[in-house]
Amino acid sequence: QSVLTQPPSVSGAPGQRVTISCTGSSSNIGAGYDVHWYQQLPGTAPKLLIYANTIRPSGVPDRFSGSKSGTSASLAITGLQAEVEADYYCQSYDSSLGGSVFGGGTKLTVL
Amino acid sequence: EVQLVQSGAEVKKPGESLRISCKGSGYSFSTYWIAWVRQMPGKGLEWMGIMYPGDSDTRYSPSFQGQVTISADKSISTAYLQWSSLRASDTAVYYCARRGDGYHAFDPWGQGTLVTVSS
Repeated sequence: QSVLTQPPSVSGAPGQRVTISCTGSSSNIGAGYDVHWYQQLPGTAPKLLIYANTIRPSGVPDRFSGSKSGTSASLAITGLQAEVEADYYCQSYDSSLGGSVFGGGTKLTVL
Repeated sequence: EVQLVQSGAEVKKPGESLRISCKGSGYSFSTYWIAWVRQMPGKGLEWMGIMYPGDSDTRYSPSFQGQVTISADKSISTAYLQWSSLRASDTAVYYCARRGDGYHAFDPWGQGTLVTVSS
């Protein structure tokens, strides 16, 4: 059981918008620690998608956006295309564990 | 270009020891924390621990404390993850990743090292 909770899967039709939630607690997201998001395409290493809740690294398309409120964060993906089919992970810091924690991951399927 | 390059796949028997490596290039290796992350077959990412090569300060996840050892040789810009006695349950892909300044996100990541433990 992951410290950060994500839905196991989400799906959407081409062109649609989907969101992926990441729910934590008062010892991680709720304590004010930043949330970061990663994309893992099949058979490859994770890639940083969003850092510090809302910031896109250089080269990441603006179809990806992040938000955070209270003990939760969300990743939104607009204009769905087949190329974004991947696993997505959130990550934060947990003060009770004294280190970083990941969500369980969400598999995005483009219908 | 900032890059982390990991050592190749390993096949080991239970009880054997192993050390895998992660070589950094394109930046000052000693001044950024390096983390190790496990991904078991078909499963999610698990943070194992992190080290600051500059002074060897090391932190472990409670789940991995005592199970692995993280180290680094800053003279050759290389971090290591080692086991003294492997188990079948250690079969996984292991990634190293650099933690950013200020914002503690991991970027970039190494390409991953597949460790297979089987009798």
